[in-house]
Amino acid sequence: AQSVTQPDIHITVSEGASLELRCNYSYGATPYLFWYVQSPGQGLQLLLKYFSGDTLVQGIKGFEAEFKRSQSSFNLRKPSVHWSDAAEYFCAVHGSNDYKLSFGAGTTVTVRA
Amino acid sequence: DTAVSQTPKYLVTQMGNDKSIKCEQNLGHDTMYWYKQDSKKFLKIMFSYNNKELIINETVPNRFSPKSPDKAHLNLHINSLELGDSAVYFCASSQAGDRATYEQYFGPGTRLTVT
Repeated sequence: AQSVTQPDIHITVSEGASLELRCNYSYGATPYLFWYVQSPGQGLQLLLKYFSGDTLVQGIKGFEAEFKRSQSSFNLRKPSVHWSDAAEYFCAVHGSNDYKLSFGAGTTVTVRA
Repeated sequence: DTAVSQTPKYLVTQMGNDKSIKCEQNLGHDTMYWYKQDSKKFLKIMFSYNNKELIINETVPNRFSPKSPDKAHLNLHINSLELGDSAVYFCASSQAGDRATYEQYFGPGTRLTVT
């Protein structure tokens, strides 16, 4: 069964600074990887996804993520954060042969002025 | 138009009551899901239906019963509510079969509070 670990529970970053959120997955075959964002009181919005091909994927809102198979990682980055990026970020993995999306525990991002 | 909608958005009820949450998607997807997000924001799948057929049934108390009257709707009925059922419940949908569409679209969530 697949699983996801997000090592950082909470990250505080200054507005305009860069952001990197870590994600490690466990899955025996090629994973399908996702990053979702949940703003306070809202549902989940897909930021980006990786299925195959180029290991650096671009998403919405200026986010990008890099898939590194050797490290079983799919870290999310943004060069310059905005106050509106304060939210909960979830990494998720989908197995190739089932319908299940498994989420990490999430990372809370706080943006200070 | 909202892609995945849930009603109600908030639900406050007492222990022992029975309640339902409704979900509708207008994306033409054939697979729908229910997730539970606990107080620590951990998301866990509860159920999934594909073409009205139950395909995922995680370890969930049998007080929870999903019902899918058609591909566009997936409702969640909860009997004999307990304090531990307090959580945010998310509905989601996707199109199965094509790996390019494993992407799941989520509803806004229903915050259930049991007192």
